Amino acid sequence: DIVMTQSPDSLAVSLGERATINCKSSQSVSHSSNNKNYLAWYQQKPGQPPKLLIYWASTRESGVPDRFSGSGSGTDFTLTISSLQAEDVAVYYCQQHFNTPNTFGQGTKLEIK
Amino acid sequence: EVQLVESGGGLVQPGGSLRLSCAASGFTFSSYAMSWVRQTPGKGLEWVSAITGSGNTYYTDSVKGRFTLSRDNSKNTLSLQMTSLRAEDTAVYYCAKEAAAAGTGYFQHWGQGTLVTVSS
Repeated sequence: DIVMTQSPDSLAVSLGERATINCKSSQSVSHSSNNKNYLAWYQQKPGQPPKLLIYWASTRESGVPDRFSGSGSGTDFTLTISSLQAEDVAVYYCQQHFNTPNTFGQGTKLEIK
Repeated sequence: EVQLVESGGGLVQPGGSLRLSCAASGFTFSSYAMSWVRQTPGKGLEWVSAITGSGNTYYTDSVKGRFTLSRDNSKNTLSLQMTSLRAEDTAVYYCAKEAAAAGTGYFQHWGQGTLVTVSS
């Protein structure tokens, strides 16, 4: 199974500042046939299910604010929130959808400083 | 609006069985692969099983031979039959919709979840 490791485990950022969360996979999740990176990001607020933010590493899901962006390829990926808003407080997870079983990172808790 | 409503969770003894259901609405159910993903405080998020629009099924190793996933496209319903339940199956189980019939591996929509507790 592909192991997904996120860093940091928790993060405190001031309102309006940039937040960066990293995700590393134990093997490449890039497909040479289509040059796609099979990496998704989710946001989970307390008492709610996860919400899809990003897929194919950098494609924003419909309705997701453009302050959220994803980047990276191969084994190293980043979720960036360009200007943190109060409603962005949540736990963020990366997930590889390259092969079965799909696996998730352990989560990064994002708080306001 | 896509809606996924899980039911069937509860308390069950080790070795027992439980059947989870997911009622789907707001989209053409047969055109999308569906999955179950579970979440525990200790192990985080874990994909459990998936079924394509045409009915091909996939399972994580820890539930193979114990869980059976099925779908009824005429009733827009997804079902997970769980047998030989273990304490480590205790989790909130989410029904999740993928982005294509063949499956994309990422989950566009999630239900609110149903809690399964395996304990004597």
